[in-house]
Amino acid sequence: LAKTTQPISMDSYEGQEVNITCSHNNIATNDYITWYQQFPSQGPRFIIQGYKTKVTNEVASLFIPADRKSSTLSLPRVSLSDTAVYYCLAYNQGGKLIFGQGTELSVKP
Amino acid sequence: DSGVTQTPKHLITATGQRVTLRCSPRSGDLSVYWYQQSLDQGLQFLIQYYNGEERAKGNILERFSAQQFPDLHSELNLSSLELGDSALYFCASSIGHLGNTEAFFGQGTRLTVV
Repeated sequence: LAKTTQPISMDSYEGQEVNITCSHNNIATNDYITWYQQFPSQGPRFIIQGYKTKVTNEVASLFIPADRKSSTLSLPRVSLSDTAVYYCLAYNQGGKLIFGQGTELSVKP
Repeated sequence: DSGVTQTPKHLITATGQRVTLRCSPRSGDLSVYWYQQSLDQGLQFLIQYYNGEERAKGNILERFSAQQFPDLHSELNLSSLELGDSALYFCASSIGHLGNTEAFFGQGTRLTVV
């Protein structure tokens, strides 16, 4: 099971781009990198997943360098409603869905 | 709406009691996961079932047990409750064994032990 390390907290302002980097040095060959978002008192919600290079969807982009030892979640033009905890996970087929401490993102007006 | 249904939404009970939390996964999902989230502990993985069989165990206390039934719904039983068991309990489901798929979470059951 790949251990992930993220900043505990980040602050941003509305309209800015936010980049949250996750370190996963012991990622396995068949691990996928997946990010979830959690609002207070709600269950986590899937944001984006990737294996290598760049993945983009309507919510975010995920950048994964060639060595796959880290990844960066990019949130374009954040708003107050993006204030949440963001979790980075690395798992494979049959792997456990284990959440770390996550990054608490605070977006200010 | 994730499609995962948890009942009840809120539960208040006394120390020493036993409660059962119920989870109905998304239609077609075979895997169910249970988590405990308290203020000072983050999301703690408890247990995972796949198609009725226990697949992985996390930090689940001996006072807690779970099962997944033939219709794929799951129940988490918490007994001899202590004040420290007060937490949000989440259930999640996925179509299979993760990998390049995602898990969908329910809205949780807030358990308060008094």
